[in-house]
Amino acid sequence: EAQVTQNPRYLITVTGKKLTVTCSQNMNHEYMSWYRQDPGLGLRQIYYSMNVEVTDKGDVPEGYKVSRKEKRNFPLILESPSPNQTSLYFCASSPRGLSYEQYFGPGTRLTVT
Amino acid sequence: LAKTTQPISMDSYEGQEVNITCSHNNIATNDYITWYQQFPSQGPRFIIQGYKTKVTNEVASLFIPADRKSSTLSLPRVSLSDTAVYYCLVGANSGYSTLTFGKGTMLLVSP
Repeated sequence: EAQVTQNPRYLITVTGKKLTVTCSQNMNHEYMSWYRQDPGLGLRQIYYSMNVEVTDKGDVPEGYKVSRKEKRNFPLILESPSPNQTSLYFCASSPRGLSYEQYFGPGTRLTVT
Repeated sequence: LAKTTQPISMDSYEGQEVNITCSHNNIATNDYITWYQQFPSQGPRFIIQGYKTKVTNEVASLFIPADRKSSTLSLPRVSLSDTAVYYCLVGANSGYSTLTFGKGTMLLVSP
């Protein structure tokens, strides 16, 4: 089944404790992206990747890192999480440009205390 | 990057046709218009995409006037399960581009 998977789905952590949210797609898509969603603010793009080893900042990259060492994986790294990074995170992939049809993962709900 | 403006919320009843309009005055020549649907705590789901005139698929139609400064998503005969947030996006269909979803339109369908 073609899909985007994220792990973990739920995570509660403490301020400053490094964490990684994994994202994997099995559709051989070149483009991948991370979003965060907060009440009243809609979906905001954090980082995106055009291909392996090619990444760029989205609208809200501060406090996040990404890497794209393999085509299928695009992990989101929070080196020192803070409470303002408490959010619902979505990973997405697309076969072509970012404005083409994107396939979203199920989401990761992160709480930083 | 073209900004979009759409109503914050809309109400409808089961069986009615719903039209959600999105304004994108600064749309660029190579921009496409894409609509997504999102249910609570789920990732957005692609509905339809178009460049000009009319596009129709099994779930919706997308109407784009000649000047492309707006677009209308049409949902025929909505049901309770169509209650969701609908996002209009405008951007190039390839190449480097950030993508801004905005706040979307919350559609509430009542019995």
